[in-house]
Amino acid sequence: DSGVTQTPKHLITATGQRVTLRCSPRSGDLSVYWYQQSLDQGLQFLIQYYNGEERAKGNILERFSAQQFPDLHSELNLSSLELGDSALYFCASSVGAPETQYFGPGTRLLVL
Amino acid sequence: GESVGLHLPTLSVQEGDNSIINCAYSNSASDYFIWYKQESGKGPQFIIDIRSNMDKRQGQRVTVLLNKTVKHLSLQIAATQPGDSAVYFCAESQNFVFGPGTRLSVLP
Repeated sequence: DSGVTQTPKHLITATGQRVTLRCSPRSGDLSVYWYQQSLDQGLQFLIQYYNGEERAKGNILERFSAQQFPDLHSELNLSSLELGDSALYFCASSVGAPETQYFGPGTRLLVL
Repeated sequence: GESVGLHLPTLSVQEGDNSIINCAYSNSASDYFIWYKQESGKGPQFIIDIRSNMDKRQGQRVTVLLNKTVKHLSLQIAATQPGDSAVYFCAESQNFVFGPGTRLSVLP
């Protein structure tokens, strides 16, 4: 158990819909990262927040957005969903950056 | 652009043998590398890390070697066990770049 929690574990939705994925970092960790992992793909970095502020951006689509709240939990919002958005979405946290990232169990999103 | 890649997508080893998983990176400014293990249906799990001022670092049954000259790192697993079966990722932490992963299968 990494100490990072993600909800929900599974999510099934339809194209065009919007979903919100939630992440709670390890106690004391200020950085939160979001990654997308498609079938047989490596981890694709989406975005990082540090203590509430956006720190780095990766290959995140404009239809996706994220934020980190004062209590340091983070949410990833995915809108106008397409079939290709079906993937595992991981959240990770670290004390700072660059540091070892501890990953949550992931949210499996299926867009039908 | 930056990339971190793996030489072999799959690796099969006999139980008890040593495993070596390789990784190449392209950003010569990278100064911190991490190896992760991902079991089926789970998130990546930290195994070992190494900073660029080191050539070698050892953990429990694992060793990471870093060759900055050729921008290559490797993960060695001693006495591979069935529980080591997983996908292994190398990561360049500075820019959150992960390699595609190598699937390690341990044969009985």
